[in-house]
Amino acid sequence: GAGVSQSPRYKVTKRGQDVALRCDPISGHVSLYWYRQALGQGPEFLTYFNYEAQQDKSGLPNDRFSAERPEGSISTLTIQRTEQRDSAMYRCASSLGGAQSSYEQYFGPGTRLTVT
Amino acid sequence: GQQVMQIPQYQHVQEGEDFTTYCNSSTTLSNIQWYKQRPGGHPVFLIQLVKSGEVKKQKRLTFQFGEAKKNSSLHITATQTTDVGTYFCAASSGSRLTFGEGTQLTVNP
Repeated sequence: GAGVSQSPRYKVTKRGQDVALRCDPISGHVSLYWYRQALGQGPEFLTYFNYEAQQDKSGLPNDRFSAERPEGSISTLTIQRTEQRDSAMYRCASSLGGAQSSYEQYFGPGTRLTVT
Repeated sequence: GQQVMQIPQYQHVQEGEDFTTYCNSSTTLSNIQWYKQRPGGHPVFLIQLVKSGEVKKQKRLTFQFGEAKKNSSLHITATQTTDVGTYFCAASSGSRLTFGEGTQLTVNP
Protein backbone atom coordinates (compact mmCIF):
# COMPACT_ATOMS: atom_id res chain seq x y z
CA GLY A 1 0.00 0.00 0.00
CA ALA A 2 0.92 3.67 -0.14
CA GLY A 3 3.42 4.92 2.36
CA VAL A 4 3.78 8.34 3.91
CA SER A 5 4.01 11.05 1.30
CA GLN A 6 5.31 14.58 1.64
CA SER A 7 5.18 17.59 -0.63
CA PRO A 8 6.95 19.41 -1.96
CA ARG A 9 10.05 17.22 -2.02
CA TYR A 10 12.26 20.28 -2.47
CA LYS A 11 11.53 23.87 -1.54
CA VAL A 12 13.79 26.85 -2.09
CA THR A 13 12.57 30.07 -0.57
CA LYS A 14 13.90 33.50 0.19
CA ARG A 15 14.56 34.62 3.72
CA GLY A 16 11.46 36.18 5.24
CA GLN A 17 8.95 34.17 3.20
CA ASP A 18 6.46 31.74 4.74
CA VAL A 19 6.47 28.07 3.72
CA ALA A 20 3.95 25.27 4.20
CA LEU A 21 5.06 21.66 4.14
CA ARG A 22 2.49 18.93 3.69
CA CYS A 23 2.37 15.39 5.03
CA ASP A 24 -0.06 12.68 3.97
CA PRO A 25 0.21 9.78 6.46
CA ILE A 26 -0.61 6.14 5.94
CA SER A 27 -4.36 5.70 5.93
CA GLY A 28 -5.69 4.75 9.35
CA HIS A 29 -2.62 5.82 11.28
CA VAL A 30 -3.60 7.64 14.43
CA SER A 31 -0.32 9.34 15.24
CA LEU A 32 1.60 11.77 13.06
CA TYR A 33 5.01 13.21 13.83
CA TRP A 34 7.17 15.98 12.44
CA TYR A 35 10.95 15.87 12.64
CA ARG A 36 13.82 17.99 11.40
CA GLN A 37 16.98 16.22 10.31
CA ALA A 38 20.27 17.97 9.75
CA LEU A 39 22.87 16.31 7.54
CA GLY A 40 24.70 13.58 9.41
CA GLN A 41 22.41 13.68 12.42
CA GLY A 42 19.39 11.84 13.71
CA PRO A 43 15.85 13.14 13.32
CA GLU A 44 15.00 15.82 15.88
CA PHE A 45 11.45 15.74 17.23
CA LEU A 46 9.31 18.80 16.53
CA THR A 47 5.71 17.92 17.30
CA TYR A 48 3.12 15.15 17.14
CA PHE A 49 -0.59 14.59 16.81
CA ASN A 50 -3.02 11.91 17.84
CA TYR A 51 -5.92 12.24 15.42
CA GLU A 52 -6.39 16.01 15.11
CA ALA A 53 -5.11 16.86 18.58
CA GLN A 54 -1.61 18.24 18.89
CA GLN A 55 -0.28 16.29 21.87
CA ASP A 56 3.22 17.67 22.14
CA LYS A 57 4.75 20.69 20.48
CA SER A 58 7.68 21.09 22.80
CA GLY A 59 10.17 20.44 20.00
CA LEU A 60 9.11 23.39 17.86
CA PRO A 61 12.12 25.77 17.92
CA ASN A 62 10.15 29.02 18.26
CA ASP A 63 6.80 30.59 17.54
CA ARG A 64 7.54 30.91 13.81
CA PHE A 65 6.86 27.18 13.59
CA SER A 66 3.35 25.78 13.78
CA ALA A 67 1.56 22.63 12.71
CA GLU A 68 -1.98 21.48 12.26
CA ARG A 69 -3.89 18.34 11.39
CA PRO A 70 -7.46 19.61 11.25
CA GLU A 71 -9.23 16.42 10.13
CA GLY A 72 -6.92 13.92 11.72
CA SER A 73 -5.29 12.93 8.45
CA ILE A 74 -3.18 15.33 6.37
CA SER A 75 -0.91 17.65 8.32
CA THR A 76 0.78 20.91 7.47
CA LEU A 77 3.92 22.30 9.07
CA THR A 78 4.18 26.05 8.55
CA ILE A 79 7.28 28.14 9.02
CA GLN A 80 6.74 31.89 9.02
CA ARG A 81 9.37 34.49 8.18
CA THR A 82 11.91 31.83 7.25
CA GLU A 83 15.55 32.24 8.22
CA GLN A 84 18.66 30.59 6.78
CA ARG A 85 19.03 28.48 9.92
CA ASP A 86 15.68 26.84 9.07
CA SER A 87 17.32 25.07 6.10
CA ALA A 88 17.10 21.33 6.73
CA MET A 89 15.28 18.14 5.79
CA TYR A 90 11.81 18.09 7.33
CA ARG A 91 10.42 14.61 7.82
CA CYS A 92 6.99 13.38 8.65
CA ALA A 93 6.22 9.99 10.16
CA SER A 94 3.06 8.18 11.10
CA SER A 95 2.21 5.24 13.32
CA LEU A 96 -0.76 3.15 14.34
CA GLY A 97 -0.77 3.94 18.01
CA GLY A 98 -2.41 6.54 20.20
CA ALA A 99 -1.42 8.12 23.46
CA GLN A 100 1.12 6.39 25.71
CA SER A 101 1.80 3.68 23.19
CA SER A 102 4.96 3.09 21.29
CA TYR A 103 4.69 1.75 17.78
CA GLU A 104 7.03 1.69 14.85
CA GLN A 105 7.05 4.88 12.89
CA TYR A 106 6.88 5.01 9.12
CA PHE A 107 8.81 7.90 7.67
CA GLY A 108 8.09 9.85 4.54
CA PRO A 109 10.73 10.89 1.98
CA GLY A 110 11.04 14.36 3.52
CA THR A 111 10.99 17.92 2.23
CA ARG A 112 14.40 19.48 1.67
CA LEU A 113 14.01 23.16 2.61
CA THR A 114 16.63 25.65 1.53
CA VAL A 115 16.34 29.27 2.65
CA THR A 116 18.45 31.68 0.63
CA GLY B 1 14.74 15.59 28.16
CA GLN B 2 15.81 12.07 27.36
CA GLN B 3 19.12 11.69 25.56
CA VAL B 4 20.77 8.72 23.95
CA MET B 5 24.40 8.56 22.94
CA GLN B 6 25.57 6.34 20.11
CA ILE B 7 29.05 5.10 19.39
CA PRO B 8 30.93 4.92 17.17
CA GLN B 9 29.91 7.78 14.91
CA TYR B 10 31.51 6.11 11.90
CA GLN B 11 32.57 2.55 11.15
CA HIS B 12 34.35 1.30 8.06
CA VAL B 13 34.57 -2.47 7.58
CA GLN B 14 35.60 -4.92 4.93
CA GLU B 15 32.79 -7.04 3.58
CA GLY B 16 32.49 -10.13 5.73
CA GLU B 17 33.64 -8.45 8.93
CA ASP B 18 31.32 -7.97 11.88
CA PHE B 19 29.93 -4.61 13.03
CA THR B 20 28.51 -3.38 16.31
CA THR B 21 26.95 -0.08 17.32
CA TYR B 22 26.13 0.88 20.89
CA CYS B 23 23.44 3.10 22.35
CA ASN B 24 23.64 4.44 25.91
CA SER B 25 21.33 6.45 28.12
CA SER B 26 21.83 7.95 31.58
CA THR B 27 18.21 7.17 32.43
CA THR B 28 16.20 3.96 32.35
CA LEU B 29 14.42 3.53 29.05
CA SER B 30 10.90 2.16 28.71
CA ASN B 31 11.81 0.71 25.35
CA ILE B 32 14.15 1.32 22.46
CA GLN B 33 13.74 1.19 18.71
CA TRP B 34 16.33 0.79 15.97
CA TYR B 35 16.12 2.33 12.51
CA LYS B 36 18.26 2.09 9.37
CA GLN B 37 18.66 4.95 6.93
CA ARG B 38 20.27 4.22 3.57
CA PRO B 39 22.22 7.04 1.88
CA GLY B 40 19.69 9.46 0.42
CA GLY B 41 16.82 7.58 2.01
CA HIS B 42 14.58 7.88 5.03
CA PRO B 43 14.72 6.04 8.37
CA VAL B 44 13.20 2.57 8.24
CA PHE B 45 12.12 0.72 11.37
CA LEU B 46 14.10 -2.41 12.22
CA ILE B 47 12.96 -3.52 15.67
CA GLN B 48 11.68 -2.55 19.09
CA LEU B 49 13.07 -3.89 22.37
CA VAL B 50 10.97 -3.68 25.52
CA LYS B 51 12.12 -6.17 28.14
CA SER B 52 15.22 -6.03 30.30
CA GLY B 53 17.95 -8.25 28.85
CA GLU B 54 15.94 -8.88 25.68
CA VAL B 55 17.76 -10.31 22.65
CA LYS B 56 16.19 -10.40 19.22
CA LYS B 57 17.61 -11.64 15.95
CA GLN B 58 16.81 -10.81 12.36
CA LYS B 59 18.96 -12.96 10.06
CA ARG B 60 22.48 -11.52 10.50
CA LEU B 61 21.34 -8.75 12.88
CA THR B 62 21.28 -9.24 16.65
CA PHE B 63 19.72 -6.63 18.93
CA GLN B 64 20.20 -6.50 22.69
CA PHE B 65 18.64 -4.47 25.48
CA GLY B 66 20.69 -4.16 28.64
CA GLU B 67 19.61 -5.60 31.96
CA ALA B 68 19.27 -2.12 33.43
CA LYS B 69 17.46 -0.89 30.29
CA LYS B 70 20.00 1.89 29.91
CA ASN B 71 21.87 0.57 26.91
CA SER B 72 21.34 -1.35 23.73
CA SER B 73 23.42 -2.73 20.90
CA LEU B 74 23.05 -3.82 17.31
CA HIS B 75 25.46 -6.41 15.97
CA ILE B 76 25.73 -7.39 12.31
CA THR B 77 27.53 -10.64 11.49
CA ALA B 78 29.46 -10.92 8.23
CA THR B 79 28.55 -7.54 6.79
CA GLN B 80 27.45 -7.21 3.19
CA THR B 81 27.45 -4.16 0.94
CA THR B 82 23.68 -3.98 1.37
CA ASP B 83 24.23 -3.18 5.06
CA VAL B 84 25.61 0.26 4.16
CA GLY B 85 23.74 3.08 5.86
CA THR B 86 23.29 4.89 9.13
CA TYR B 87 21.86 2.98 12.08
CA PHE B 88 19.92 4.95 14.68
CA CYS B 89 18.66 3.97 18.07
CA ALA B 90 15.64 5.85 19.36
CA ALA B 91 14.35 5.99 22.91
CA SER B 92 10.63 6.26 23.36
CA SER B 93 8.84 8.29 25.99
CA GLY B 94 5.17 7.70 25.50
CA SER B 95 4.71 8.25 21.79
CA ARG B 96 7.70 10.56 21.39
CA LEU B 97 11.02 9.26 20.05
CA THR B 98 14.43 10.71 20.81
CA PHE B 99 16.98 9.60 18.24
CA GLY B 100 20.67 9.09 18.77
CA GLU B 101 23.22 10.64 16.44
CA GLY B 102 23.56 7.39 14.52
CA THR B 103 26.44 5.19 13.40
CA GLN B 104 27.33 5.50 9.74
CA LEU B 105 28.48 2.15 8.36
CA THR B 106 30.45 1.80 5.16
CA VAL B 107 31.35 -1.61 3.77
CA ASN B 108 34.25 -2.07 1.40
CA PRO B 109 33.68 -4.91 -1.07
